Amino acid sequence: AQSVAQPEDQVNVAEGNPLTVKCTYSVSGNPYLFWYVQYPNRGLQFLLKYITGDNLVKGSYGFEAEFNKSQTSFHLKKPSALVSDSALYFCAVRDDSGNTPLVFGKGTRLSVIA
Amino acid sequence: GAVVSQHPSWVICKSGTSVKIECRSLDFQATTMFWYRQFPKQSLMLMATSNEGSKATYEQGVEKDKFLINHASLTLSTLTVTSAHPEDSSFYICSAPLPTGVKNQPQHFGDGTRLSIL
Repeated sequence: AQSVAQPEDQVNVAEGNPLTVKCTYSVSGNPYLFWYVQYPNRGLQFLLKYITGDNLVKGSYGFEAEFNKSQTSFHLKKPSALVSDSALYFCAVRDDSGNTPLVFGKGTRLSVIA
Repeated sequence: GAVVSQHPSWVICKSGTSVKIECRSLDFQATTMFWYRQFPKQSLMLMATSNEGSKATYEQGVEKDKFLINHASLTLSTLTVTSAHPEDSSFYICSAPLPTGVKNQPQHFGDGTRLSIL
């Protein structure tokens, strides 16, 4: 069975500082990993994904994530946070077996303070 | 632009009413769509997998007679919450993966439907 853990319910960071949102996963087979962002009363917007290749993945809005197989982690990062980055972030995983649904972490609320 | 359209975005109705939510894939055919439910400050929980031309597959604990799913065409899936009660109030989100053969692509999500039962 697949699972995702986001250990932090809330992350607070000052504007201009680097941010990290943590994610660890468990999956049989090769993982397909995703980060999504959700704004209030909206659906999910895709940020980035890791399928294979370079462990450092760059995505939308300046976000990046690093895949670490030994630590089964896929932490989301951004060098310099913006107030507009404040939102709910979800890490998700599925295996490589086909058109399977995503399994989501519980989400981490990011607050960027001016 | 959006690749999955979900409608309506917000519904407020009386207890006992049935509510239909539509999920459409735009510019691609989706033989499979997923329906999720999200409670306040919680993650998305998969409710069911909608399959075009066959019955939906429901997750454990989801009442199939309460949440009727119809995958009417290759671009449309509907979720009907029958005889809704206040405990059904939630945020419902659909998603559609791109066609098989593009399986590495992310799933695309609708904007969600906020359902409030009075």
